[in-house]
Amino acid sequence: AQTVTQSQPEMSVQEAETVTLSCTYDTSENNYYLFWYKQPPSRQMILVIRQEAYKQQNATENRFSVNFQKAAKSFSLKISDSQLGDTAMYFCAFGTSYGKLTFGQGTILTVHP
Amino acid sequence: GAVVSQHPSWVICKSGTSVKIECRSLDFQATTMFWYRQFPKQSLMLMATSNEGSKATYEQGVEKDKFLINHASLTLSTLTVTSAHPEDSSFYICSASLPLAGDRNEQFFGPGTRLTVL
Repeated sequence: AQTVTQSQPEMSVQEAETVTLSCTYDTSENNYYLFWYKQPPSRQMILVIRQEAYKQQNATENRFSVNFQKAAKSFSLKISDSQLGDTAMYFCAFGTSYGKLTFGQGTILTVHP
Repeated sequence: GAVVSQHPSWVICKSGTSVKIECRSLDFQATTMFWYRQFPKQSLMLMATSNEGSKATYEQGVEKDKFLINHASLTLSTLTVTSAHPEDSSFYICSASLPLAGDRNEQFFGPGTRLTVL
């Protein structure tokens, strides 16, 4: 079984600054995927970024990038130039190739003007 | 593309009644759908995996007789909460799995259903 741990229940950042959300996981599988999802107050789950475990290169999507350390089983999310619309709950998730997801506890991010 | 809908978005029912929640993949066929439960400011907990044409696979601790799941077609899965009680009040989210390139499947989430049992 997989476990995902997010050790930061809440984070805050000033608008335009950079913030990093932490995530660690534990698994015995070799083929897997890692995700960061955003859940705004509407509660719609939105995919922010994904990383294939077999890829060494860190994924990047505009202002969002990850630091994937496979040996350390660490998968942090960096948000650059934070915007008010980034305020949400962020979930790190471990995914198997057949689609099953295991979520971390979540981090509530607040962006202050 | 890859839109998943849920109906209803909010339902209030009396204790002891049953409630059905529908999850539809609108523009793709999903052989696998997932049902999650989420309490306020907490994580999503997987309840069951629903496969078209077969019985759902329930996670440990989830009562399969209370949470009935039916995946009758490639675009529709339903969750029925039978004899609902106040402790069943929660936010229920479904997702549909879309096979992508290689061996990867990606989940697309519905907007969720808020269930309140009085």
